[in-house]
Amino acid sequence: QVQLQESGPGLVEPSQTLSLTCTVSGDSISNGGYYWSWIRQPAGKGLEWIGRVYPSGSTNYNSSLESRVSISIDTFKNQFSLKLSSVTAADTAVYYCARNEYRHSWNWFDPWGQGTLVIVSS
Amino acid sequence: DIQMTQSPSSLSASVGDRVTITCRASQSTSTYLNWYQQKAGKAPKLLIYAASSLQSGVPSRFSGSGSGTEFTLIISNLQPEDFATYYCQQSYSTPFTFGPGSKVEIK
Repeated sequence: QVQLQESGPGLVEPSQTLSLTCTVSGDSISNGGYYWSWIRQPAGKGLEWIGRVYPSGSTNYNSSLESRVSISIDTFKNQFSLKLSSVTAADTAVYYCARNEYRHSWNWFDPWGQGTLVIVSS
Repeated sequence: DIQMTQSPSSLSASVGDRVTITCRASQSTSTYLNWYQQKAGKAPKLLIYAASSLQSGVPSRFSGSGSGTEFTLIISNLQPEDFATYYCQQSYSTPFTFGPGSKVEIK
């Protein structure tokens, strides 16, 4: 059974770079048929897709964040990572990593990591 | 970007009730629509993908329907563990977008 676990600093200063890693267990991240995504949720609010990475390293990003976001993959460590630069208080949220399955153009997120709260504050 | 709306934003229901949640897209998404359940303090869980396909392990009291711009999630015979917030999500085009959520509360 595939499991995902986010890790990284829970507190980031304004204007700095938020860095998170998602460790995948139970399956190889290199297996075809899956992208690997980051999604965030501010407290009490809805879900925002940040972007995704394929095992080849190709990426898709939310245009609202594209100038500040970078997602990379390390197939040897079975991990993928998120970097979000120039953060502000508006980036405070629970950050989730999720497997993005796709079949015949349909995409869905399953499973998800438990989420990690990142607070942007000095 | 495709905008998603949901109604109602919240509802109160009793165990055993049939609950219907509607999701609308700002443009056609064919059947590229998924539903998730999120309980307080937990990650979302996939219930329905491709508008009407039940994810493995999800109880059959959950069902989804619709295509184009209007979709429905039905929970028949509501159980205590179903009290949660439900989100729809379109996967027709990136950026993938979610609805604002529909909270199902105990009456």
